[in-house]
Amino acid sequence: DIQMAQSPSSLSASVGDRVTITCRASQSINRYLNWYRHKPGKAPELLIYATSSLESGVPSRFSGRGSGTDFTLTISSLQPEDFATYYCQQSYSTPPTFGPGTNLEIK
Amino acid sequence: QVQLQESGPGLVKPSETLSLTCAVSGYSISSGYYWGWIRQPPGKGLEWIGNIYHFGNTFYNPSLKSRVTISVDTSKNQFSLNLSSVTAADTAVYYCARARGDTSSKYPDNWGQGTLVTVSS
Repeated sequence: DIQMAQSPSSLSASVGDRVTITCRASQSINRYLNWYRHKPGKAPELLIYATSSLESGVPSRFSGRGSGTDFTLTISSLQPEDFATYYCQQSYSTPPTFGPGTNLEIK
Repeated sequence: QVQLQESGPGLVKPSETLSLTCAVSGYSISSGYYWGWIRQPPGKGLEWIGNIYHFGNTFYNPSLKSRVTISVDTSKNQFSLNLSSVTAADTAVYYCARARGDTSSKYPDNWGQGTLVTVSS
């Protein structure tokens, strides 16, 4: 199985800040990398698919970059609803696997 | 807008079978997409259990394959998960999801809220 790592594991920031989360795969996954936001008690939401494609309805403050093994998710200006846990996931090979998550907290 | 809702027992005894159903609204399962199950044990990461295509093709995670069955009921617009011979290690929040992707490995684009299943006597 492809292992996914994320950094940092937790992050404190303020509304309006720009933040970047990193995801690294244990082998090349081309650009088959997806990002999710998960608020407690709610359904996770798909934000970005195929590294940089914004899912329909997702605000443009979210962006993704990368290829091969190294990827980033950037939120350009944090909003109150963005304080949540973020997961990356590879869909290059089976089984699909997820990163351990990055917990984004209010400073 | 597609919505998914998990249902089933919140407590299952060890060695028994865990059975969950996911009711889908706002989209017809028979129209396409893949339909899957993902779980998250307390304090641990997300694990892909498996997925099914609307006409029955399945993928199961090899780590669970011997114990998992996923099925679809297009007449009720729902799909189900059966996990046999459960142990405490199967205690988790179980999510159902609609998934897509152009490789054999899929990614969820819509998720249910999740349901906690505890395995305990």
